[in-house]
Amino acid sequence: GENVEQHPSTLSVQEGDSAVIKCTYSDSASNYFPWYKQELGKGPQLIIDIRSNVGEKKDQRIAVTLNKTAKHFSLHITETQPEDSAVYFCAAGSEAGTALIFGKGTTLSVSS
Amino acid sequence: EAQVTQNPRYLITVTGKKLTVTCSQNMNHEYMSWYRQDPGLGLRQIYYSMNVEVTDKGDVPEGYKVSRKEKRNFPLILESPSPNQTSLYFCASSFGDRSSYEQYFGPGTRLTVT
Repeated sequence: GENVEQHPSTLSVQEGDSAVIKCTYSDSASNYFPWYKQELGKGPQLIIDIRSNVGEKKDQRIAVTLNKTAKHFSLHITETQPEDSAVYFCAAGSEAGTALIFGKGTTLSVSS
Repeated sequence: EAQVTQNPRYLITVTGKKLTVTCSQNMNHEYMSWYRQDPGLGLRQIYYSMNVEVTDKGDVPEGYKVSRKEKRNFPLILESPSPNQTSLYFCASSFGDRSSYEQYFGPGTRLTVT
């Protein structure tokens, strides 16, 4: 079955710096790659996703890149702000996004 | 407001005492799922349902049951809870088709089994 590895497990940056979180997956049949943000005491919330027919997607300060050949995808956050501090999860799946396998999460801390 | 609700939010129980965690969504989603979140392990799927009366096992189904009698509700049942089921549980829902892949998560239920 699918296996998703996520790195790093913790990431500390200064406000204004960029943050990059990387994930690799094992199942070449996976075609949907979402990123979720989980704030303290809340459920995960989708922040950006990408499907396998696209190599890159951007939404304001957040971007995701996908390399299907190498089976890895990354989340890029530019101009980080303290409110970006949270746990971020990557996931990989197929079947209209229902069969998602999550990475173990990255705790991002942005200090001002 | 479009949302997924879970009840209770916090629960402390004893080994072997049956419990049910309710999940309800008001977005007319076909797909619903239960996950557990444990430190260092991320989110792992317990059970999911593609539609009413259709349920299937996820990665960690042992010790859990689910039912999907109505489209909006997807309760999680622990017939005989054990301490290793102490965890943070999330319900999620989505349209489950090509129109939108996004899964919406509930606020979580923190369960402690002593």
